[in-house]
Amino acid sequence: AQKVTQAQTEISVVEKEDVTLDCVYETRDTTYYLFWYKQPPSGELVFLIRRNSFDEQNEISGRYSWNFQKSTSSFNFTITASQVVDSAVYFCALSLYNQGGKLIFGQGTELSVKP
Amino acid sequence: GAVVSQHPSRVICKSGTSVKIECRSLDFQATTMFWYRQFPKKSLMLMATSNEGSKATYEQGVEKDKFLINHASLTLSTLTVTSAHPEDSSFYICSAPIPGQDRTSPLHFGNGTRLTVT
Repeated sequence: AQKVTQAQTEISVVEKEDVTLDCVYETRDTTYYLFWYKQPPSGELVFLIRRNSFDEQNEISGRYSWNFQKSTSSFNFTITASQVVDSAVYFCALSLYNQGGKLIFGQGTELSVKP
Repeated sequence: GAVVSQHPSRVICKSGTSVKIECRSLDFQATTMFWYRQFPKKSLMLMATSNEGSKATYEQGVEKDKFLINHASLTLSTLTVTSAHPEDSSFYICSAPIPGQDRTSPLHFGNGTRLTVT
């Protein structure tokens, strides 16, 4: 069975601090995709990144960076110099190649960035 | 801009009534759409997969007669919550894979529908 675990339920930081959101996944499939989404208080899901299982390169996009390590089945997300606008719930998700787009979500991490 | 449009964004209904939620793909055809449900402070759980021209596939534990899904065209899927009760109050959100990309590209979601049953 597939599973995504985000052990951090809530994180609170002060603006300009760096913060890392953890994501650990479980699957026996060799081809899969990992995602991060941001859900602000308004509720919509904002796509942040997709990474396939064969691409372990880390990625940086502005203040965001992602560290994918298959050896530990982790796909962690770091926000550098956090800002108040980063406050939201962040979801890590897993999709198997043969399941046509179904997403298995983690429990979510609620990030609060205080000024 | 949004590639998946969901309507309404909020709905309040009385217990026992039915509510229909629409999910439209904009500028592309979606043979498949996914419906998720999210309780407050909780994760998103897949309810069903909507297939154009055929029956929806429901996840285990989801009542088919309660949550009616219709995917009558390549751009529209609807979720009807029948005989709604307060415990059906939740956030419902749809997604549609975009053709031309690989099969696991549900990059875009609708903005969601917050249902409150009084």
